[in-house]
Amino acid sequence: DAKTTQPNSMESNEEEPVHLPCNHSTISGTDYIHWYRQLPSQGPEYVIHGLTSNVNNRMASLAIAEDRKSSTLILHRATLRDAAVYYCILRDNGASGTYKYIFGTGTRLKVLA
Amino acid sequence: NAGVMQNPRHLVRRRGQEARLRCSPMKGHSHVYWYRQLPEEGLKFMVYLQKENIIDESGMPKERFSAEFPKEGPSILRIQQVVRGDSAAYFCAGSEGQNTEAFFGQGTRLTVV
Repeated sequence: DAKTTQPNSMESNEEEPVHLPCNHSTISGTDYIHWYRQLPSQGPEYVIHGLTSNVNNRMASLAIAEDRKSSTLILHRATLRDAAVYYCILRDNGASGTYKYIFGTGTRLKVLA
Repeated sequence: NAGVMQNPRHLVRRRGQEARLRCSPMKGHSHVYWYRQLPEEGLKFMVYLQKENIIDESGMPKERFSAEFPKEGPSILRIQQVVRGDSAAYFCAGSEGQNTEAFFGQGTRLTVV
C-alpha cells in the first residue's frame, strides 16, 4: 500500500490561509490523492481529491507537485470550524481489485482565534 | 456525511454478547467500506463490499467478525462474543463506484463492559 507522510500537528491563526503538506514519494501512476478531515467525535468528511492537475472546490484547493511525490491542501481562510485532523490518502488504484482508503495518522490542525 | 446512516450511534454490550452495526449508504451507492478507530488512533480498514459480494476483507479479524451487504437493506457488521478490545468507533462509508469519493457516516461507538 502506498504511504503518505504528514506533520503530526500544525497551528494557524483564524482568517489566515493554511497550507497542509503531504509527501507520497511511492505514489504510482494511477493513484488518486484524496484528502479527508475528521472533526472530534465525527466521521471523516471528504474534502477534495485529484490525480495530476491542481483542483479547487468550495472547501479547499489541492496543489499537486509536477512529479506527484507531494501535494498541499490549501484552506484559504481558516475558521475555528476547520480545526480537525486532516488525512492525506492515496487511493488504492485497484490493481488488487479494491479501492480502499488507507488512512495514516494525519495532521491535527489547531486554529487560534 | 449527509445521507450515510449508521445505527445505533452508541452500543453497549457485555463481554460474550453479539454486536450488530448497521450502515445504510446514500441512495445509489452500492459500495460500502467498514473502518475501525480506536481512541486517539487513525482509521483502520476492515472490509469492502459491493452489493451481495465481499470484495476485500483483508482487514477483518479472522474470527468473530463478519460483514454483509444484502441486495435489500443495510450493510451489517457483526461481532460475535465481543471482548473489551472490540471497544472502538466503527465507521462505514459508501460510494457510487469503485473510484469515486466515499462518504462516511457518523459512526457507531461500541463499548464492551
